[in-house]
Amino acid sequence: IAGITQAPTSQILAAGRRMTLRCTQDMRHNAMYWYRQDLGLGLRLIHYSNTAGTTGKGEVPDGYSVSRANTDDFPLTLASAVPSQTSVYFCASKWQTNTGELFFGEGSRLTVL
Amino acid sequence: EDQVTQSPEALRLQEGESSSLNCSYTVSGLRGLFWYRQDPGKGPEFLFTLYSAGEEKEKERLKATLTKKESFLHITAPKPEDSATYLCATFSGGYQKVTFGIGTKLQVIP
Repeated sequence: IAGITQAPTSQILAAGRRMTLRCTQDMRHNAMYWYRQDLGLGLRLIHYSNTAGTTGKGEVPDGYSVSRANTDDFPLTLASAVPSQTSVYFCASKWQTNTGELFFGEGSRLTVL
Repeated sequence: EDQVTQSPEALRLQEGESSSLNCSYTVSGLRGLFWYRQDPGKGPEFLFTLYSAGEEKEKERLKATLTKKESFLHITAPKPEDSATYLCATFSGGYQKVTFGIGTKLQVIP
């Protein structure tokens, strides 16, 4: 079934550790996004990529990095996790950057202790 | 700064009791408005895109409408399986500018 696959589904992490959340899509969408969802704050954009080889900063990029080596994969890395990065992370994609709805993965729940 | 406000935060309905969810927005250069459904522990699922004031979209028991300042998601004769959080999001200006509301958590009681 076509869509977005995120891994891991859930993770508990010690503060200071490095963590990479994986995201793969098989829809050949050009644009990909990482959001975090926190209670009372809604979905906030962390980083985005308009096409393979390019990335950009969203609303809350500090402490996170991304790469886009190919069309399908868009990993999100926390270099040194902090408790405030405890959240649910969603990867999303869409065909065109300037139109169209976002398709979301099922999320990665991250707890930083 | 673009703002999207959804109300109510939570809504409890009896099965068959129709109601509406509101999404008001203050957005510069609106290009579109999305409605999503999100089930617990899942990612948001796309429902509708509305592009201009006066536009309406329907899907089963759901109808979305758009004015220049707000959007409504009307739920007609809801069923328990309609229970979910409904998210509204606006799309404006630069192509990364998608602003989400916090959502309305709908519970439909049998």
